[in-house]
Amino acid sequence: EAQVTQNPRYLITVTGKKLTVTCSQNMNHEYMSWYRQDPGLGLRQIYYSMNVEVTDKGDVPEGYKVSRKEKRNFPLILESPSPNQTSLYFCASRRTGNSEQYFGPGTRLTVT
Amino acid sequence: AQRVTQPEKLLSVFKGAPVELKCNYSYSGSPELFWYVQYSRQRLQLLLRHISRESIKGFTADLNKGETSFHLKKPFAQEEDSAMYYCALGTDSWGKLQFGAGTQVVVTP
Repeated sequence: EAQVTQNPRYLITVTGKKLTVTCSQNMNHEYMSWYRQDPGLGLRQIYYSMNVEVTDKGDVPEGYKVSRKEKRNFPLILESPSPNQTSLYFCASRRTGNSEQYFGPGTRLTVT
Repeated sequence: AQRVTQPEKLLSVFKGAPVELKCNYSYSGSPELFWYVQYSRQRLQLLLRHISRESIKGFTADLNKGETSFHLKKPFAQEEDSAMYYCALGTDSWGKLQFGAGTQVVVTP
């Protein structure tokens, strides 16, 4: 089944404790991205990757890192999480070009 | 700069009534427009894209380049249409999407 998976689905952590949210897709998509979803603000792009070893900042990259060592994986790293990073995070992938974007199930992160 | 505006945060309609979700965009090039839907506790999924010009679940959307709009319409709302709807703008060949803030639709019986 073609899908985007994220882990963990729920995470509660404390300020400053490094964490990684994994994202994997099995559709051989070149393009992957991370979004955060906040009430009233919609979806805002954090980082995106156009292919292996090619990443770039989205609209709200501060406090986040990403890597793309393999085509299927695109982990999101929070080196020192802060409470303002409490949010619902979505990973997505698509083929190059304006085709349908497939979303993961979301990761709800709470930073206390 | 590219921008997508969805002016309504919440749209409450009665079952069987028409529903229209507004989406306006700002982009100087040739846009690709999409509507994504997110049902409660589910992932976002594609509802419509303007290039396909199809009707999905009774919804249609027409790209109006003169008014820079891509409004989503359905003549008779159903309770299962209750969801969050996002308008999205594709602006480059790499597939980057700019999303609007979303419109929550609530259909009451």
